[in-house]
Amino acid sequence: DAGVIQSPRHEVTEMGQEVTLRCKPISGHNSLFWYRQTMMRGLELLIYFNNNVPIDDSGMPEDRFSAKMPNASFSTLKIQPSEPRDSAVYFCASSFSGGASYEQYFGPGTRLTVT
Amino acid sequence: AQSVTQPDIHITVSEGASLELRCNYSYGATPYLFWYVQSPGQGLQLLLKYFSGDTLVQGIKGFEAEFKRSQSSFNLRKPSVHWSDAAEYFCAVGPNSGYALNFGKGTSLLVTP
Repeated sequence: DAGVIQSPRHEVTEMGQEVTLRCKPISGHNSLFWYRQTMMRGLELLIYFNNNVPIDDSGMPEDRFSAKMPNASFSTLKIQPSEPRDSAVYFCASSFSGGASYEQYFGPGTRLTVT
Repeated sequence: AQSVTQPDIHITVSEGASLELRCNYSYGATPYLFWYVQSPGQGLQLLLKYFSGDTLVQGIKGFEAEFKRSQSSFNLRKPSVHWSDAAEYFCAVGPNSGYALNFGKGTSLLVTP
């Protein structure tokens, strides 16, 4: 199994630019989670999907952030326009949500730097 | 409200010494509990999980954790720490809001020679 795949692994962009982060979950998983990790705030849940439907987006910081999951094998997190305070590591995780299974499997993350 | 507390931000142990990382939770029903490890520059890796049954669970890399309902705790242990265990450790509890997990703020483990 290839695990959760994220791209790009590193992104450096200038303030005001649009940034798109991509995630491919583990095949067969039906829940997908986007997290942000910073030294100051730790690991924060931004949004999660179940069966491609957004369930909880209360962690999305503001309207500059948007996420989509057009199909079971792909999701994007977009920041437009980006700001320096968005600099962080963004993780995607997936799980099979059914029965007694809730463990999440994390991707390697995308390190975003906004200058 | 559901929450997870990891009281220790940093812990330093000598290589070969035993390790215990603390995790306390607040949860209204029977919790699902997890420990994850994050090595520098990596994503989080699942070490072990507890759903039900035997309260002492074994995980990968020689780790184990014990669920104590009376103390609302799920502490992680390892009898002999190796230098490669230096990492950030996260405790998590769920489910929350459907299928999400609540993560603690993490404990950073430093292993000295």
